Amino acid sequence: ELKVEQNPLFLSMQEGKNYTIYCNYSTTSDRLYWYRQDPGKSLESLFVLLSNGAVKQEGRLMASLDTKARLSTLHITAAVHDLSATYFCAVDLYSGNTPLVFGKGTRLSVIA
Amino acid sequence: DAEITQSPRHKITETGRQVTLACHQTWNHNNMFWYRQDLGHGLRLIHYSYGVQDTNKGEVSDGYSVSRSNTEDLPLTLESAASSQTSVYFCASSEWRGVGYEQYFGPGTRLTVT
Repeated sequence: ELKVEQNPLFLSMQEGKNYTIYCNYSTTSDRLYWYRQDPGKSLESLFVLLSNGAVKQEGRLMASLDTKARLSTLHITAAVHDLSATYFCAVDLYSGNTPLVFGKGTRLSVIA
Repeated sequence: DAEITQSPRHKITETGRQVTLACHQTWNHNNMFWYRQDLGHGLRLIHYSYGVQDTNKGEVSDGYSVSRSNTEDLPLTLESAASSQTSVYFCASSEWRGVGYEQYFGPGTRLTVT
């Protein structure tokens, strides 16, 4: 059974600080996804990581993938309040065109 | 613009009633999915479909059914609603993006079973 674990589940950080969210998964997977969800809203795609060593950056967020360690990280640089949201990582249930298995999410709160 | 919609957005129903949640996408995607979101669980897969007349069970399919009679729609039916099915339900569809499939999510339906 494929399991996806995120940590931390809750994160309160000060504006301007850096932090990393971790996502571990239990079986081999070709792709890893990061989504953002604002309260009461749907999921918004942030990154799709396709191969070992893949790194993608968008603004203050940078995601990386280590398929050998079955680990992805989402690094936040110089956090701002607008980044407050819940972040989910997800992995393909099977290889190819398949449903996703999600982590439980990391609720991020950026405070002044 | 192409999109994925869900209706209703909010629903309150009583235990034992049959409820159908609608999902409609205008992208002509073959692949569609239903997830439920609960605090402490993230999103969990209920059912999915790879095309017309194709349906598959997910992790938490008990008490739910789907049917796929056309490409655009994948309605989710709760046969006899239970309080444990109080949740937020998300529909998604996916398309090939050249190096992999990416899923797009609808706005969600908040269902309360009393």
